[in-house]
Amino acid sequence: RKEVEQDPGPFNVPEGATVAFNCTYSNSASQSFFWYRQDCRKEPKLLMSVYSSGNEDGRFTAQLNRASQYISLLIRDSKLSDSATYLCVVRVRSNDYKLSFGAGTTVTVRA
Amino acid sequence: EPEVTQTPSHQVTQMGQEVILRCVPISNHLYFYWYRQILGQKVEFLVSFYNNEISEKSEIFDDQFSVERPDGSNFTLKIRSTKLEDSAMYFCASSEFLVNEQFFGPGTRLTVL
Repeated sequence: RKEVEQDPGPFNVPEGATVAFNCTYSNSASQSFFWYRQDCRKEPKLLMSVYSSGNEDGRFTAQLNRASQYISLLIRDSKLSDSATYLCVVRVRSNDYKLSFGAGTTVTVRA
Repeated sequence: EPEVTQTPSHQVTQMGQEVILRCVPISNHLYFYWYRQILGQKVEFLVSFYNNEISEKSEIFDDQFSVERPDGSNFTLKIRSTKLEDSAMYFCASSEFLVNEQFFGPGTRLTVL
């Protein structure tokens, strides 16, 4: 089983719509969770960390469900600039140096 | 806003040649990393570096790879004898502390012919 699994999409949504997608992780001991975004042929850029109680940053909301071992990202009021690949990233153990990446979920926002 | 920088942005080399990829991490960061991304695939961890030594490495990071922090600012990845399958985007990243988020540089696209 892969460490981090994501629905690759693509999710094609109109401007102003809400889009949400999940990511599952295999190791129940995983400690830290992040969402990064990656534009085509660019570096991953941190979107937000995901906290146990869930957290919001503007139009973006992240949730963590430890019991079911998934995290989610919801984007409200989608903008054209939200078109990107969203990477689910997990640090499995607190003393791990590496981050484990999912393959990404592609979101395309159309005018 | 401080950022990680990498040079060159694109490197083309012949199979069997040595390449050195360079990175300047964010200045107050203590932890440094190399990742790679083969076209169309996910980002994969290669190695982490802390306190002037390798702290963790993946199975990909074999004897052909090495890392160095030659001075107070640069962090390099050397591939001794490149193979076709080393063609990928190589990202350098840094973090202030272990538990913090990692910030990525713009990457070096390595093409091995």
